[in-house]
Amino acid sequence: RKEVEQDPGPFNVPEGATVAFNCTYSNSASQSFFWYRQDCRKEPKLLMSVYSSGNEDGRFTAQLNRASQYISLLIRDSKLSDSATYLCAVITGSYIPTFGRGTSLIVHP
Amino acid sequence: EAGVAQSPRYKIIEKRQSVAFWCNPISGHATLYWYQQILGQGPKLLIQFQNNGVVDDSQLPKDRFSAERLKGVDSTLKIQPAKLEDSAVYLCASSLVSGIPYNEQFFGPGTRLTVL
Repeated sequence: RKEVEQDPGPFNVPEGATVAFNCTYSNSASQSFFWYRQDCRKEPKLLMSVYSSGNEDGRFTAQLNRASQYISLLIRDSKLSDSATYLCAVITGSYIPTFGRGTSLIVHP
Repeated sequence: EAGVAQSPRYKIIEKRQSVAFWCNPISGHATLYWYQQILGQGPKLLIQFQNNGVVDDSQLPKDRFSAERLKGVDSTLKIQPAKLEDSAVYLCASSLVSGIPYNEQFFGPGTRLTVL
């Protein structure tokens, strides 16, 4: 089993749709969790950290489920500009980061 | 604030040749990471430095890859000799310090390596 797993997609959704991605992790001692966004041929950029209590930033909501060992990202009211690859990152107890392979999102008119 | 700088941006070499990449992290960032990102995959951590010490290099193919951060600031990653499967984007990232939760990594633009 891979340490961090994501469905590669692509998720193809119309503008205005709500879409959710999950990311599962295998190391129960993982401490910190992040969602990064990566545009085509660009570097990853932090979208949001994922806190135990869940957090929201505008149209984006991140949740952590420690019991089932996954994090989720919900995007409401999708925009064309949301089209990108969404990478989850998990930090272990030794502060070593591991990235998933990313989930591709395509938002169409 | 200046971001993470990397050079060169692109490199094309033949297999068995050597290549070196350079990274200058954000000023004041103690932790520096080198990642390899193959097309369609997520970034794979090769090596992580805290100042000039190595935190983790468990996924660095040490028979051909080497990295150094001698003065705890900029860093060089070298491949010698290169193989076809080394074709990838090499990303450098930095963060203020490891060892704290929610420590954001800032990525450089990457070096796109093609091995022919």
